[in-house]
Amino acid sequence: EAGVTQSPTHLIKTRGQQATLRCSPISGHTSVYWYQQALGLGLQFLLWYDEGEERNRGNFPPRFSGRQFPNYSSELNVNALELEDSALYLCASSFGAQYFGPGTRLLVL
Amino acid sequence: GEDVEQSLFLSVREGDSSVINCTYTDSSSTYLYWYKQEPGAGLQLLTYIFSNMDMKQDQRLTVLLNKKDKHLSLRIADTQTGDSAIYFCAATPGNTPLVFGKGTRLSVIA
Repeated sequence: EAGVTQSPTHLIKTRGQQATLRCSPISGHTSVYWYQQALGLGLQFLLWYDEGEERNRGNFPPRFSGRQFPNYSSELNVNALELEDSALYLCASSFGAQYFGPGTRLLVL
Repeated sequence: GEDVEQSLFLSVREGDSSVINCTYTDSSSTYLYWYKQEPGAGLQLLTYIFSNMDMKQDQRLTVLLNKKDKHLSLRIADTQTGDSAIYFCAATPGNTPLVFGKGTRLSVIA
């Protein structure tokens, strides 16, 4: 069974640009979570989608947004990128326990 | 809200047992997880335990839960160099976002 997949694996942007990160959950999983792992800040919850709806968001500004598609895949958008947005962005899918993808490493220059 | 604490570093000799400890604050946390992260990689789910269990064993891994003290531990038997990684403890009351500890960096000395 395929695991959670994320694309791209690496993304380099400059300040002010927008970034789009994608996640495909494990087949049958309807919940998708996004987490940010920034250096020195640990793993922080960003967004949770379930059945196409945003269920909860962490303590992040509105320029972090996303959506979940009818096939349960998800997209995370980060607008007006700032240097401190450089991090590993992890997606997890769940039908009970949360299983993580390999992450997208975003570098903002 | 939930707060999860872990010690930051642990160093063991190859072949010894490793014990990584974690404490959490929210007694409504019913799902407790251990994840492993190798350099440059995502999180690998190692095991999880429900709050109505005291212990769970899976091959070399043993999880102990003391619900009264809100203390969780992960024991790795016969630790190998391939076990060197960062181990995260996480808690959640249910199908909700995880709250993670800061991770314990396990170094295995050959």
